[in-house]
Amino acid sequence: KQEVTQIPAALSVPEGENLVLNCSFTDSAIYNLQWFRQDPGKGLTSLLLIQSSQREQTSGRLNASLDKSSGRSTLYIAASQPGDSATYLCAADNYGQNFVFGPGTRLSVLP
Amino acid sequence: ETGVTQSPTHLIKTRGQQVTLRCSSQSGHNTVSWYQQALGQGPQFIFQYYREEENGRGNFPPRFSGLQFPNYSSELNVNALELDDSALYLCASSLSSGGANTGELFFGEGSRLTVL
Repeated sequence: KQEVTQIPAALSVPEGENLVLNCSFTDSAIYNLQWFRQDPGKGLTSLLLIQSSQREQTSGRLNASLDKSSGRSTLYIAASQPGDSATYLCAADNYGQNFVFGPGTRLSVLP
Repeated sequence: ETGVTQSPTHLIKTRGQQVTLRCSSQSGHNTVSWYQQALGQGPQFIFQYYREEENGRGNFPPRFSGLQFPNYSSELNVNALELDDSALYLCASSLSSGGANTGELFFGEGSRLTVL
């Protein structure tokens, strides 16, 4: 059974700092790994999808990497801004049938 | 391109009642998945529909049921509501081939259900 964990659970940083969010999964036989952002009370916004044949994806100030052999993915946010404050969730695509989500990392970027 | 839309956005029910939540998938997508998100937790997979049939189910009882229509929109029905069913219900659409998801999940804004 796939299990996904994320550390840290919460993170508070000053504006401008670079930061790394971590995601671990137990079953390396995943199809894809996807990172999402969720603002309070809202739905999930897709940030990056890393397909199983890829090692990383980049979009603007965001870079996500995937290491299937070690069961890890990281989301790197460069030059953080107050608007980046949200909960960040990673999800492992379990054999193309469903995504298994981690509990999320709650990020606060202080002005 | 039309995104994923869900209705209603908020609703309040009492224990024992039944509820129907609706979802319109993103244009070009053929698969709809439903997730339950309790406060402070990650979303939990309920089930997935592909070609109008259930194509995968999480650890939820049979009183959680669904439908997918020919236009790929979907409904989630929950019977005999319990207090623990209070949560944000999220619908996601994606493109599948042969029932296996091939790409990104795109979510709607969710339906917030409160059971009193």
